[in-house]
Amino acid sequence: SYELTQPPSVSVSPRQTANITCSGQRLGRQFISWYRQLPGQSPVLLIYHDDQRPTGISERFSGSRSETTATLTISETQTVDDGDYYCQCWGANADGVFGPGTTVSVL
Amino acid sequence: QVHLQESGPGLVKPAETLSLTCNVSGLFITDGYYWGWVRQPPGKGLEWIGSFHHERGTFYNPSLKSRVTISKDSSANQFFLIFGSVAATDTAVYYCVKSVVDQSSGYFDWGQGILVTVAS
Repeated sequence: SYELTQPPSVSVSPRQTANITCSGQRLGRQFISWYRQLPGQSPVLLIYHDDQRPTGISERFSGSRSETTATLTISETQTVDDGDYYCQCWGANADGVFGPGTTVSVL
Repeated sequence: QVHLQESGPGLVKPAETLSLTCNVSGLFITDGYYWGWVRQPPGKGLEWIGSFHHERGTFYNPSLKSRVTISKDSSANQFFLIFGSVAATDTAVYYCVKSVVDQSSGYFDWGQGILVTVAS
């Protein structure tokens, strides 16, 4: 298994763009998923396979990646985008490690 | 639409075994997809425990593998988490989950979660 790194917090003004990064030395070709979690609720999948949006997820959420860093971009941010965001990477042995999470505040 | 519901004890004593059940409706666990468990200690982040596909096998978090077993009852459309020798650090909300497509596609469907406290 391995570790992923995310910034503890990201603050952004309404209608601006927020970028949340997820880094790991061994991201390589492993797929990344992104989730948002609100207090007391189950996580919601926002992005899978690096850049695919599940049905029902706003186009304001997009994913991209390089060899060592994946990025979740939230465009036209709104106060409803507040929450904790987690990346998840699938290793060669099919183990799905989560990043430590990033708290997004739209101020 | 698939629905997942966790059930089990809310309190387990240290060194005992935790057993949780995930009841699935709206889809059969033999219809494909990966089904699994994720946990979250209070105030902390998510931790992947493991998952299975009814034909492709079962996969575990290496750091938990020695204490964890995931099994299923296809006739009842349920799957289970067995977690041995629990300690206070295993106190967490436990979620059962279902993949979008394959193992690496992440989890679109989540149960509401069940809080399990390990304490004497």
